[in-house]
Amino acid sequence: GAVVSQHPSRVICKSGTSVKIECRSLDFQATTMFWYRQFPKKSLMLMATSNEGSKATYEQGVEKDKFLINHASLTLSTLTVTSAHPEDSSFYICSARGPVGDMNEQFFGPGTRLTVL
Amino acid sequence: GQNIDQPTEMTATEGAIVQINCTYQTSGFNGLFWYQQHAGEAPTFLSYNVLDGLEEKGRFSSFLSRSKGYSYLLLKELQMKDSASYLCAVLDSNYQLIWGAGTKLIIKP
Repeated sequence: GAVVSQHPSRVICKSGTSVKIECRSLDFQATTMFWYRQFPKKSLMLMATSNEGSKATYEQGVEKDKFLINHASLTLSTLTVTSAHPEDSSFYICSARGPVGDMNEQFFGPGTRLTVL
Repeated sequence: GQNIDQPTEMTATEGAIVQINCTYQTSGFNGLFWYQQHAGEAPTFLSYNVLDGLEEKGRFSSFLSRSKGYSYLLLKELQMKDSASYLCAVLDSNYQLIWGAGTKLIIKP
C-alpha cells in the first residue's frame, strides 16, 4: 500500500511557541490531505481538508489562524500549531488520498504526539 | 445529520470469532472502510466495501448491505495482537470520510 510519513513523531514545546508538523506521501501524489486530532480513548476528529494548491477547508470549531495548513505540493502538507497552549496537547494524524475515484482510500501517517508544557 | 454507530467495546476469547457491527446514515455513499487502530498509533487500513456482499482477506472479512445501511467486520482465529480499536468510516457524497467512534476489542486468553 501507499506510504505516508509524518515528522516529528513526538514533540514537546513550551507554551507560546509554534510547532510545525510535516506530512509526506512517499510513493503517490496526494491530491487531498487531511489533518486529524485525537484525544485519548476518543475517535478521530477531522480538523481540516487541504487540496494541493488551494486553501484548506476547516471544520467547524477549528481555528484557522491557530492551526495553519499549507499544501504546497502533491507530496507535502504542513500543519503549524501557532502559539501553542497546554490544551493543544494531543495526537495529530495526517492522511493522504489520491484523485477521487482513482484512490478513495485514505492512507495515514504514523501520527505526531504533541505535548505543550 | 450523518451518523455512524458501532458498539463501544467488545470482548472475545483468543482463537474465537468476533463480529463487529456498524450501521450508518449518511448523505450519499461512496464506500465503507474498516480501520484498525492500536493504542497510541495511527489507524491502518483493513478493508473497503463499495458493493454489497462479503470481502474476505485472510482472517478478516467485511460485509456490506447498502439497502440496510449496515456493515460488519468479522475476525476469525483471534490472536492477542488483534486487541485494538476498530473504526468504521463511510465515504459520503462529497468524498469525505465520516468516522464512527470506534469499537475497542479486548481479547482474553
